[in-house]
Amino acid sequence: NAGVTQTPKFQVLKTGQSMTLQCAQDMNHEYMSWYRQDPGMGLRLIHYSVGAGITDQGEVPNGYNVSRSTTEDFPLRLLSAAPSQTSVYFCASSYSFRSTEAFFGQGTRLTVV
Amino acid sequence: QQQVKQSPQSLIVQKGGISIINCAYENTAFDYFPWYQQFPGKGPALLIAIRPDVSEKKEGRFTISFNKSAKQFSLHIMDSQPGDSATYFCAASISGNQFYFGTGTSLTVIP
Repeated sequence: NAGVTQTPKFQVLKTGQSMTLQCAQDMNHEYMSWYRQDPGMGLRLIHYSVGAGITDQGEVPNGYNVSRSTTEDFPLRLLSAAPSQTSVYFCASSYSFRSTEAFFGQGTRLTVV
Repeated sequence: QQQVKQSPQSLIVQKGGISIINCAYENTAFDYFPWYQQFPGKGPALLIAIRPDVSEKKEGRFTISFNKSAKQFSLHIMDSQPGDSATYFCAASISGNQFYFGTGTSLTVIP
């Protein structure tokens, strides 16, 4: 039982490049979400999914796309990276949309130069 | 606009002392208030949580105090230990819906 697994752990991108941050959970959780963590800003919700095939925007969705084709996986796509997207990204999952405990992955540190 | 305001930004406490972190919110619809603990290089992990129908919740050395009328809640760590050194985030949500996190408090417990 690995919990929430994020890959890669570190990534450096050039401005304009695209990439996908991977997130997988093996707890059969319905609810998955992506946060970014910036100094002095806490964690801010980017996108979330209440189940396979269903996604919605969070607090800071611009510049990011998501999809949820399976219960286990919830990738986050940056189509054209910008320096403002330099951050630490966390994926989280919960048993269901109304569950109160979120389980976080270990994070992906992304630098856009 | 920060939905949940957290202070202080950093805190240094002697071993055995009490660590206190405060949070305030405006949205009275919030009904779930968790605290998360994050160690360097790790994701946040749920530490303790409270609902507004109680004024205090205690789990071991960790206590949440909740003041509904003032729209404030705080985390108290009794007998603080060096192993408690971490970043602490308060958060608020409506029935486990979208969580709004505070900006975090970096706690250092000096041996």
